[in-house]
Amino acid sequence: GAGVSQTPSNKVTEKGKYVELRCDPISGHTALYWYRQSLGQGPEFLIYFQGTGAADDSGLPNDRFFAVRPEGSVSTLKIQRTERGDSAVYLCASSLRVRRDTYNEQFFGPGTRLTVL
Amino acid sequence: QQQVKQSPQSLIVQKGGISIINCAYENTAFDYFPWYQQFPGKGPALLIAIRPDVSEKKEGRFTISFNKSAKQFSLHIMDSQPGDSATYFCAANRPREQGAQKLVFGQGTRLTINP
Repeated sequence: GAGVSQTPSNKVTEKGKYVELRCDPISGHTALYWYRQSLGQGPEFLIYFQGTGAADDSGLPNDRFFAVRPEGSVSTLKIQRTERGDSAVYLCASSLRVRRDTYNEQFFGPGTRLTVL
Repeated sequence: QQQVKQSPQSLIVQKGGISIINCAYENTAFDYFPWYQQFPGKGPALLIAIRPDVSEKKEGRFTISFNKSAKQFSLHIMDSQPGDSATYFCAANRPREQGAQKLVFGQGTRLTINP
């Protein structure tokens, strides 16, 4: 079956511009996560959705970052007034509904490589 | 604050040898410890995982050893193959506050298996 897909695969923008990154989770997965992976580092948590609402956005670095998931499926990560320090690979992951008594594997997409010039 | 420390940063092993990657964590409330494998241009993929009430888990050539008292865990790859060449990340699942699963990743180890 289809895995997590992300578009675009690469995005080059200029400092100060606005960008949107899209994530299509695995069908039936109600939990969706965004991570950021800087060069040579492990992924860092940004935000988690359970359904349509952001259950935890504690990883968003500042108010230039925002994410939505209006219908509980596709999610868009939005970055305003981009800065060179935002350059990284943005990973999306999805999983079955989160339950307190079990751990559900997070399946990662290939990521979007964002370069801010 | 780096909560999961991984070493070494890079590792070269001969084909057929044993690859060993180590991780240490700080938060004793972590409740699940997965290892991810990442190839260039791809997202991380779950390789093997362990819970803190188990000291060892083996799946094929891959084994996790877990030392709860030392707050350390390691990945062993037996009979390493060139196809195992990738970047490996250890991770730990944060306590489920408000029902969230939040993974904290180590810095990664770039493994190269020489033929």
